[in-house]
Amino acid sequence: NAGVTQTPKFRILKIGQSMTLQCTQDMNHNYMYWYRQDPGMGLKLIYYSVGAGITDKGEVPNGYNVSRSTTEDFPLRLELAAPSQTSVYFCASSYPTSGRTLSYEQYFGPGTRLTVT
Amino acid sequence: DQQVKQNSPSLSVQEGRISILNCDYTNSMFDYFLWYKKYPAEGPTFLISISSIKDKNEDGRFTVFLNKSAKHLSLHIVPSQPGDSAVYFCAARGTGNQFYFGTGTSLTVIP
Repeated sequence: NAGVTQTPKFRILKIGQSMTLQCTQDMNHNYMYWYRQDPGMGLKLIYYSVGAGITDKGEVPNGYNVSRSTTEDFPLRLELAAPSQTSVYFCASSYPTSGRTLSYEQYFGPGTRLTVT
Repeated sequence: DQQVKQNSPSLSVQEGRISILNCDYTNSMFDYFLWYKKYPAEGPTFLISISSIKDKNEDGRFTVFLNKSAKHLSLHIVPSQPGDSAVYFCAARGTGNQFYFGTGTSLTVIP
């Protein structure tokens, strides 16, 4: 059981290039999330998905796109990379439960450190 | 606009003593709160949570207190251990299952 895996771990992009950050989870979680963390800041939600085929914008979606064709995978696409997208990107998944066992805890991947120069 | 705030960037505590980490929020619609722990070069890991209908939740050495009228929550760690040294983030659940994170507090437990 690998949990949430992210590739690559590090990447340097030139301004204007594009790339896809990969995220896979093997816990059969229906919810998946993409966050970015800038130095000295908290995590900001970019996009999230409540299930295959369903995605929605978070706080900071501009410059990014996502797709969710399977339960396991939730890739994040950067088009026309800009220096402002230099950050650490975290993918997370969760299986919200209700009732007596109410839980919204998220399981995070190790992150992708992206530098755009 | 930071809806979840952790005003103390760092905290140092002696081993065996209590660590108290604080978090304030502005949105009264938040209905669930979580604390995560993060080591360098790793993703955050879940620590403890609390629903807005409760005012306290305890799990071993960790207790989270929620004061809804003050829009304030705190994490107590007793007794603190050197392995607790990490960055702690509080997070809140908003509408549409979106989550908002604070900027983190770096805890150092001194042996």
